Amino acid sequence: AQKVTQAQTEISVVEKEDVTLDCVYETRDTTYYLFWYKQPPSGELVFLIRRNSFDEQNEISGRYSWNFQKSTSSFNFTITASQVVDSAVYFCALSEFSGGYNKLIFGAGTRLAVHP
Amino acid sequence: DAGITQSPRHKVTETGTPVTLRCHQTENHRYMYWYRQDPGHGLRLIHYSYGVKDTDKGEVSDGYSVSRSKTEDFLLTLESATSSQTSVYFCATGGFSPSYEQYFGPGTRLTVT
Repeated sequence: AQKVTQAQTEISVVEKEDVTLDCVYETRDTTYYLFWYKQPPSGELVFLIRRNSFDEQNEISGRYSWNFQKSTSSFNFTITASQVVDSAVYFCALSEFSGGYNKLIFGAGTRLAVHP
Repeated sequence: DAGITQSPRHKVTETGTPVTLRCHQTENHRYMYWYRQDPGHGLRLIHYSYGVKDTDKGEVSDGYSVSRSKTEDFLLTLESATSSQTSVYFCATGGFSPSYEQYFGPGTRLTVT
């Protein structure tokens, strides 16, 4: 069965430190998609990135970067020069295309606290 | 932002009472989902809908039912609320393909006393 593991429950860093959030997934599908969502203290879920299983190129967006490695079934998220506004819970998710319907399997989340 | 609203945003209810949560979307998305969020579990799928009057169970569907009489509305009902259903409930919409991200509503915090 599909599964997403975020082993880091909580991470605490000081502003301007780099931080990497780990995500390991399990799937038997050959075509799949991975996602990262951010949940700030206000509670809403914000979509950050989508990656398909055929594209292992790393992606960078400003201070955010993502490293996808199929060989290790990992899709890690790095924040460079962290800021207090990055404090949030971050969720990694795997799409499950089952019976023609798209469902997301979420990890338990990693709570990131960035201190001034 | 897919134009998703949820009502109510907060609710406190007593054990054994029925509760209905509403999700409304303005994007005409075919697929809609209900999740619950609990510490240590991330988000877990309760039910989903793939069209008007077409629904199916998710991972944690026991004690919940859903209905979708219009494309824009997806209702989640707790027939007889229990304390274990205290949670934050999120509605989401998304496309047919797994390449489509899901967009989430603001959430409803439900407390069952």
